[in-house]
Amino acid sequence: DADVTQTPRNRITKTGKRIMLECSQTKGHDRMYWYRQDPGLGLRLIYYSFDVKDINKGEISDGYSVSRQAQAKFSLSLESAIPNQTALYFCATDGSQETQYFGPGTRLLVL
Amino acid sequence: QKEVEQDPGPLSVPEGAIVSLNCTYSNSAFQYFMWYRQYSRKGPELLMYTYSSGNKEDGRFTAQVDKSSKYISLFIRDSQPSDSATYLCAMSRNYGQNFVFGPGTRLSVLP
Repeated sequence: DADVTQTPRNRITKTGKRIMLECSQTKGHDRMYWYRQDPGLGLRLIYYSFDVKDINKGEISDGYSVSRQAQAKFSLSLESAIPNQTALYFCATDGSQETQYFGPGTRLLVL
Repeated sequence: QKEVEQDPGPLSVPEGAIVSLNCTYSNSAFQYFMWYRQYSRKGPELLMYTYSSGNKEDGRFTAQVDKSSKYISLFIRDSQPSDSATYLCAMSRNYGQNFVFGPGTRLSVLP
């Protein structure tokens, strides 16, 4: 089984809709992250969490919210999706400085 | 000026060549430097991690950091077609917080 899973893998939605992207990990790591990837821009950090009670904004948190339901679960929500949120979204976890794992990504298209 | 610059490529080399991938950055406070490999339609995977200046070797891969020049490199020896991927550099002031990624260099190793 994959260490970091993301659901859904692909999603098409309409402007103004609320959607949630989910991430689960089996590594037992405390730290979890949400990134988006756009062509030519690399990965940009949206939110990160160092434990269940610790949530921090990243570089581009506007328009997004997160929930850390448990050590293993970290969800990203778009309250009212807009077309420029069309991107590839990655969840990641890490447990130490030399171990980090990314999920397979969610392709989101906002029409 | 972007905080982290990376030539997007594509870079094509013959099998067996030595590959040099590079990033420059502007923030002298960065202390943690990472290289990731991302295959098409997959999440990034951490290849190398380096703290502060110096070299680090792992098999065919060598990472170098020159903080005085704000320049990091990844060398791949005896390159293989399986090394064909996009390589992302990333760096941060404090580990686990606000990684800044380069846009990635696409590498093709031709058999």
